[in-house]
Amino acid sequence: QKEVEQDPGPLSVPEGAIVSLNCTYSNSAFQYFMWYRQYSRKGPELLMYTYSSGNKEDGRFTAQVDKSSKYISLFIRDSQPSDSATYLCAMGSNTNAGKSTFGDGTTLTVKP
Amino acid sequence: EAQVTQNPRYLITVTGKKLTVTCSQNMNHEYMSWYRQDPGLGLRQIYYSMNVEVTDKGDVPEGYKVSRKEKRNFPLILESPSPNQTSLYFCASSLKDGAYEQYFGPGTRLTVT
Repeated sequence: QKEVEQDPGPLSVPEGAIVSLNCTYSNSAFQYFMWYRQYSRKGPELLMYTYSSGNKEDGRFTAQVDKSSKYISLFIRDSQPSDSATYLCAMGSNTNAGKSTFGDGTTLTVKP
Repeated sequence: EAQVTQNPRYLITVTGKKLTVTCSQNMNHEYMSWYRQDPGLGLRQIYYSMNVEVTDKGDVPEGYKVSRKEKRNFPLILESPSPNQTSLYFCASSLKDGAYEQYFGPGTRLTVT
């Protein structure tokens, strides 16, 4: 069983929709959580970084971490066609700060 | 411009022919890492380096070597490539003292025949 499981998708939504992307994990030592966006033929780029539980908002993006349920989410409000990409969750722990575990990614298409 | 660069971007080679993929960052980051990305398997960490002369294995280090002789460069070496190393490779770096908030390079697509 993988340490990080991500909703596989693909996901297709109309422009303006609210999108929810989700990951679950099994390693209770994970303390920091990231979301990356990857456009086709490009490297991942960091969207959101959260340490421990709670919410973090940045413009149209909100990251949620629920450590008690080992569940993280990324919400995209007012989705745009430019949000069409693959979204990767990633996580790690302070006890082994060099290691990072990624989900397999969810491909999102926002249709105009 | 702050960036992570990788060379080459595309490489087709034959089994057993040693190759090196270079990675360089101009942000004075201490942390650097290599990943491979395969369909259905996601991004998997190969090796990482917390600082100069400090490297450690990730989840899939077999068949790869790395070195970190200077802060800006972190080359990935395949001494005897095999077809199962055909993949898309990414180098990343971080200002933080670990795999947080990483900046990724553009990727190197490697095909081993």
